[in-house]
Amino acid sequence: EAEVAQSPRYKITEKSQAVAFWCDPISGHATLYWYRQILGQGPELLVQFQDESVVDDSQLPKDRFSAERLKGVDSTLKIQPAELGDSAMYLCASSTSGTNNEQFFGPGTRLTVL
Amino acid sequence: AQSVTQLDSQVPVFEEAPVELRCNYSSSVSVYLFWYVQYPNQGLQLLLKYLSGSTLVKGINGFEAEFNKSQTSFHLRKPSVHISDTAEYFCAVKRGGSNYKLTFGKGTLLTVNP
Repeated sequence: EAEVAQSPRYKITEKSQAVAFWCDPISGHATLYWYRQILGQGPELLVQFQDESVVDDSQLPKDRFSAERLKGVDSTLKIQPAELGDSAMYLCASSTSGTNNEQFFGPGTRLTVL
Repeated sequence: AQSVTQLDSQVPVFEEAPVELRCNYSSSVSVYLFWYVQYPNQGLQLLLKYLSGSTLVKGINGFEAEFNKSQTSFHLRKPSVHISDTAEYFCAVKRGGSNYKLTFGKGTLLTVNP
């Protein structure tokens, strides 16, 4: 069964360092999402791609976060510099194009900033 | 903008007992509603969704939910729970149409005790 892959699964870093997360969506899924899930909260959308184009990045803290999906397949989310408040689970999801197509989630990357 | 309120942060039940997880939403336009489950250190999995049609929606693992437009609710139910149902459950809402994002509630931790 096809799955969304994410790496690393866990990342511990010190504040002010740079971190990067990688996501490989299900083959053929044109839409890719990055979510941040703070402990005890539901996921919050950071950025949505349609192929290689950004559709929504209204909640992405652009002073320190960046996301790219250069060839419209896999994607990287970067934080530079990391802050203590960035500690969270970062989830990637993908779906086929369309209004209500199911989003399939990866296992997530748990980031701890010390 | 739409929002979701999950009325219970934690619900403890005994095995084989019925359970209801409550979800209310607010929106001035038509919406689509979803329930997701998240097991520890994993991504989210779709349990069921309401897009249109019958207000009683059946999902995986024996769960069902009823859409009540007048009460703006979408409560999740299961007649008999198992230990393996212990997980975090998230209600989510999406405005009808394309390119609108999912808004998640804060989650309800269901703990099934023997």
